[in-house]
Amino acid sequence: DTAVSQTPKYLVTQMGNDKSIKCEQNLGHDTMYWYKQDSKKFLKIMFSYNNKELIINETVPNRFSPKSPDKAHLNLHINSLELGDSAVYFCASSLTDRVWDGYTFGSGTRLTVV
Amino acid sequence: AQSVAQPEDQVNVAEGNPLTVKCTYSVSGNPYLFWYVQYPNRGLQFLLKYITGDNLVKGSYGFEAEFNKSQTSFHLKKPSALVSDSALYFCAVRDERDYKLSFGAGTTVTVRA
Repeated sequence: DTAVSQTPKYLVTQMGNDKSIKCEQNLGHDTMYWYKQDSKKFLKIMFSYNNKELIINETVPNRFSPKSPDKAHLNLHINSLELGDSAVYFCASSLTDRVWDGYTFGSGTRLTVV
Repeated sequence: AQSVAQPEDQVNVAEGNPLTVKCTYSVSGNPYLFWYVQYPNRGLQFLLKYITGDNLVKGSYGFEAEFNKSQTSFHLKKPSALVSDSALYFCAVRDERDYKLSFGAGTTVTVRA
């Protein structure tokens, strides 16, 4: 009964491929996020959806496209993968009405582009 | 705009000694402040938070943090560190009116036996 689950946990792929990472939360939260953690461990927000509506879209290449079919799911699709996309991608969720709460994070997806 | 600074990349302490991890923040409105810990190859785990009220907040695993509004700081402390506390610690801030949680660059804590 994992609260925020991401799949796959590891993803190794070649440059130029297209791949997706899936995220699901069973906490009843209405906002979900994607963060990228680079090789220096720095965490940077990429996107956020609130009730299927995009509310945060940081400066991210348009090869990255988030999709939220419902408020419990937020997927990340990446086109034409590049070496620099190699990182750990974390999904997180929160509840808007409890803005004072932090986020609940998934365990991460380690993407390696070769 | 909101931001977080963790001035130390690494903190090394001996087991049993006090541990302090520093954090300063900048927000436009009132801050919500958080500490998370990341163990190797794991996700981020919540440690503690400051929303309002008592400036000293207590969290998981014996950690505590002190909110100082005048110094815009939220330092994480543990009176007696354990080897198992060795991990990467992130401070994060959220403006009360913002969805976004902004993280510091992280501080690697190493506790030697």
